[in-house]
Amino acid sequence: GEDVEQSLFLSVREGDSSVINCTYTDSSSTYLYWYKQEPGAGLQLLTYIFSNMDMKQDQRLTVLLNKKDKHLSLRIADTQTGDSAIYFCAGGESSASKIIFGSGTRLSIRP
Amino acid sequence: GAVVSQHPSRVICKSGTSVKIECRSLDFQATTMFWYRQFPKQSLMLMATSNEGSKATYEQGVEKDKFLINHASLTLSTLTVTSAHPEDSSFYICSAKTPGLVGDTQYFGPGTRLTVL
Repeated sequence: GEDVEQSLFLSVREGDSSVINCTYTDSSSTYLYWYKQEPGAGLQLLTYIFSNMDMKQDQRLTVLLNKKDKHLSLRIADTQTGDSAIYFCAGGESSASKIIFGSGTRLSIRP
Repeated sequence: GAVVSQHPSRVICKSGTSVKIECRSLDFQATTMFWYRQFPKQSLMLMATSNEGSKATYEQGVEKDKFLINHASLTLSTLTVTSAHPEDSSFYICSAKTPGLVGDTQYFGPGTRLTVL
């Protein structure tokens, strides 16, 4: 089955860019997502990318997909204190299938 | 749009009692709902997939008699933790999806924190 891996922690300075990386094993994953979870809260969908896309940009968020290496990244430009959270990447095979989550990357912002 | 609610947001119960958690899609019809469990500082673990009008599909290692799931309508799924024990204490999150939503993705509820004393 699908296995999704992320680094556990990332610390960046306010105003810098944050890059969160994710690798997955199942090449049949059609949908790849990034979710944000703030303390004690549910998950908020940030963005998603289909497997036939290489890049997607949405305001401060840029998602890059390297299908050959099965590598997904999320770049947050001009990182702010409100971006402090845990970020999960997730993949799913089709619209009807379950999605598998990575372990989450805890992003902390330092002044 | 695509709002999912959960009730209650927090519950504390005594060991041996049963607890019901509701998951509602407020502005769309959810043909499929998912139940996840999240331990502190860990990722979400899928417990079961629930399709409206049919029996839930449980992930390996999840006891179906302990975690009862009912998806009686297109907007409501319930998870009942029966005879709860302290090891069932966790953060339970539901999600809902329906064909046609942007990205065909799952939209998550805010979660329910269960503490079993």
